[in-house]
Amino acid sequence: GESVGLHLPTLSVQEGDNSIINCAYSNSASDYFIWYKQESGKGPQFIIDIRSNMDKRQGQRVTVLLNKTVKHLSLQIAATQPGDSAVYFCAEVSGGSYIPTFGRGTSLIVHP
Amino acid sequence: DVKVTQSSRYLVKRTGEKVFLECVQDMDHENMFWYRQDPGLGLRLIYFSYDVKMKEKGDIPEGYSVSREKKERFSLILESASTNQTSMYLCASSIGQGFIQYFGAGTRLSVL
Repeated sequence: GESVGLHLPTLSVQEGDNSIINCAYSNSASDYFIWYKQESGKGPQFIIDIRSNMDKRQGQRVTVLLNKTVKHLSLQIAATQPGDSAVYFCAEVSGGSYIPTFGRGTSLIVHP
Repeated sequence: DVKVTQSSRYLVKRTGEKVFLECVQDMDHENMFWYRQDPGLGLRLIYFSYDVKMKEKGDIPEGYSVSREKKERFSLILESASTNQTSMYLCASSIGQGFIQYFGAGTRLSVL
């Protein structure tokens, strides 16, 4: 069964470093993936998405990598800034559905 | 900009009370969703709606109901609030067959 924890995985980095946030997804039939950022006191906000026919997609300061062989997704943030401090969620969508399944999130803390 | 507005940021209710959480979106989105967010558990889908007067159960519908009388408004109802419904509630919307959801800021509900 699912393990339930009260604490999120946490990644602490120094300002200016590159950050890599990882996500293992569960459904090999998932064909669309999304990353969200949730700042304290706010709702999740879309960052970037990727389809399963791609293995890399770049945005502004962010890159998403997809490895379907091991069902792994990562979000890379270049030159991390204090404003990047937030909880980051990955979400997967399986064929035929338009409703994402969310991961539990990773807390990113950026130290000035 | 898509705007999803939740009527209350904080609510305190007593056990047994009937509670209404309201959500309004201004982008003419077909789909609307209610999630609850608890530490370590991520986002869990309570109910969703893909059209006016239509509703579908999510993963944890017990103890909740919803109403969608107008396209822009989706209400979550706790018929008889219980302490285990103390949580952060997030509303989201998305377009037709779109996967990207736009979230409100959340309502933090405490049931005493």
